[in-house]
Amino acid sequence: NAGVTQTPKFQVLKTGQSMTLQCAQDMNHNSMYWYRQDPGMGLRLIYYSASEGTTDKGEVPNGYNVSRLNKREFSLRLESAAPSQTSVYFCAARPAGVVNEQFFGPGTRLTVL
Amino acid sequence: GENVEQHPSTLSVQEGDSAVIKCTYSDSASNYFPWYKQELGKRPQLIIDIRSNVGEKKDQRIAVTLNKTAKHFSLHITETQPEDSAVYFCAASEFSGGYNKLIFGAGTRLAVHP
Repeated sequence: NAGVTQTPKFQVLKTGQSMTLQCAQDMNHNSMYWYRQDPGMGLRLIYYSASEGTTDKGEVPNGYNVSRLNKREFSLRLESAAPSQTSVYFCAARPAGVVNEQFFGPGTRLTVL
Repeated sequence: GENVEQHPSTLSVQEGDSAVIKCTYSDSASNYFPWYKQELGKRPQLIIDIRSNVGEKKDQRIAVTLNKTAKHFSLHITETQPEDSAVYFCAASEFSGGYNKLIFGAGTRLAVHP
């Protein structure tokens, strides 16, 4: 039971390149989330998926797209990377019902040159 | 939308002392307030949370208090230990069906000195 996994762990891109960050969970949780973490700014919600087949914007969605491929997987895509997207990206998953805890993945450290 | 402010940004205490971190929120619809601990280079992990129908919750050396009228909540750590050193984040959200959109504070870096 790995919980929430993310790939890759590290990535360096040049401005304008595209890439997809992968997230998978093996806990059969319904909702999934993508956050970015920048120094001094805490975690900010980029997009979330309340359930399989649905996605919605969070606080900072510009420059990103997401896909909820199935119940397990939720990917984040940068179509044309910019230096302002240099950050640590965390994926999280949360079960349905009364348990509110969001379980986080290990993170992806992305640098855009 | 919701806005969460967290203070202080850094906190230094001696081992055995207490530590208090405070957060305020803006949206009166928020009813769920978790606290996450993040050690250096690691993922955030939930340490305690509180729903708006209670004013205080304790778990061993950790407690959280909530004042709905004033829209603020606080984390209290007693008898601090060096392993409590980490960044702590508060968050707020409205519980909605099976998901919650957490809005985080900017974090507090706690250092516990032996």
